[in-house]
Amino acid sequence: AQSVTQLGSHVSVSEGALVLLRCNYSSSVPPYLFWYVQYPNQGLQLLLKYTTGATLVKGINGFEAEFKKSETSFHLTKPSAHMSDAAEYFCAVIPLGGSSNTGKLIFGQGTTLQVKP
Amino acid sequence: KAGVTQTPRYLIKTRGQQVTLSCSPISGHRSVSWYQQTPGQGLQFLFEYFSETQRNKGNFPGRFSGRQFSNSRSEMNVSTLELGDSALYLCASSLDPQAPLQNEQYFGPGTRLTVT
Repeated sequence: AQSVTQLGSHVSVSEGALVLLRCNYSSSVPPYLFWYVQYPNQGLQLLLKYTTGATLVKGINGFEAEFKKSETSFHLTKPSAHMSDAAEYFCAVIPLGGSSNTGKLIFGQGTTLQVKP
Repeated sequence: KAGVTQTPRYLIKTRGQQVTLSCSPISGHRSVSWYQQTPGQGLQFLFEYFSETQRNKGNFPGRFSGRQFSNSRSEMNVSTLELGDSALYLCASSLDPQAPLQNEQYFGPGTRLTVT
């Protein structure tokens, strides 16, 4: 079964520092990959997605992610953290193949990003 | 374009009762998926509806059910509530989950259900 692993349930960075949130997926066939952000008491907001094509994907708010098939990874980065980036981040996949996967996102456990002044 | 809306935002129910949650997708989106979010289990897929048909279902008991109307609005129902059903219930809409360029899901703010 498909799964998503986010390394580190909590990540703390200083304002202005690089943000790196790790995500690995388990699949023999690369799935569709997504990163979402959730602010307190809100739903999930789509940051970026990868389906096919260019492996470096740019998203909103200065975030980007690189799909690496050889490492089955889709890590999220941002060059310079801002206080407003503090939130919980979820990596998710839509497995490929079969109607049983339609409309179903499989999420990682989430990473809480803390940004220190 | 208006986003996904969910009503109500907050609910408090007693064990044994039933509850109905509502979700209105983004205009033009025909697919609605539902998720349960809890601190212990994270985000788990409940079911997906497309053109009034349930196409996919997660691993939840039969007490959890849903439906979709002709205008794509969706409802989910939980009968005989248990304490463990306390969670944030999120719905998401998409144009076409099976199309690579149209499968991103947009989430509503959720309904916070507390069962006492």
